Amino acid sequence: DGGITQSPKYLFRKEGQNVTLSCEQNLNHDAMYWYRQDPGQGLRLIYYSQIVNDFQKGDIAEGYSVSREKKESFPLTVTSAQKNPTAFYLCASTTPGQGDSPLHFGNGTRLTVT
Amino acid sequence: AQSVTQPDIHITVSEGASLELRCNYSYGATPYLFWYVQSPGQGLQLLLKYFSGDTLVQGIKGFEAEFKRSQSSFNLRKPSVHWSDAAEYFCAVATNTGNQFYFGTGTSLTVIP
Repeated sequence: DGGITQSPKYLFRKEGQNVTLSCEQNLNHDAMYWYRQDPGQGLRLIYYSQIVNDFQKGDIAEGYSVSREKKESFPLTVTSAQKNPTAFYLCASTTPGQGDSPLHFGNGTRLTVT
Repeated sequence: AQSVTQPDIHITVSEGASLELRCNYSYGATPYLFWYVQSPGQGLQLLLKYFSGDTLVQGIKGFEAEFKRSQSSFNLRKPSVHWSDAAEYFCAVATNTGNQFYFGTGTSLTVIP
């Protein structure tokens, strides 16, 4: 079945360490997104990519980095510059240019930094 | 600027009662509207979407939503709630290029027996 796989489901890191969250999709979608979710704040966009080797900053990109070397993969690195990295991270994908095409989501990665 | 407002942070209903979750959007052009549901620790699952045509759309799990342009609303309804409907519900609007999605802050639903 087609879908989006995020790994790992839980991730623990010490403060000051960079950490990379994996996101892989086999839906043949061109566009991929990273969202951060905190209680009571909904989903906030970190980065998105509409095509391989291209990506744009979202609303809260500071302290994060991404790459898009393959259509299927859109890893997110949470750097030591991110002041409050503990959160639930969601990856999503869709077909761009078609407004009625919904976002498809992975099951998320919960990152805890101590 | 595009935005989505879900006025109710938390709603509690009895099992078997009807449900309405409110969503208001701000978008200059014809909106593409979505409702998602999220169980704890999981990703978001699409319940239904609206992009044109009939303003009453049917979704999965017995949910429906009505688009009202004059009120900039897209409220979600269910005639009879089941205990398994307890979850977080998100309303979203997409731009007509399909590149940007804007989410509300969510409504948490509790179902009491």
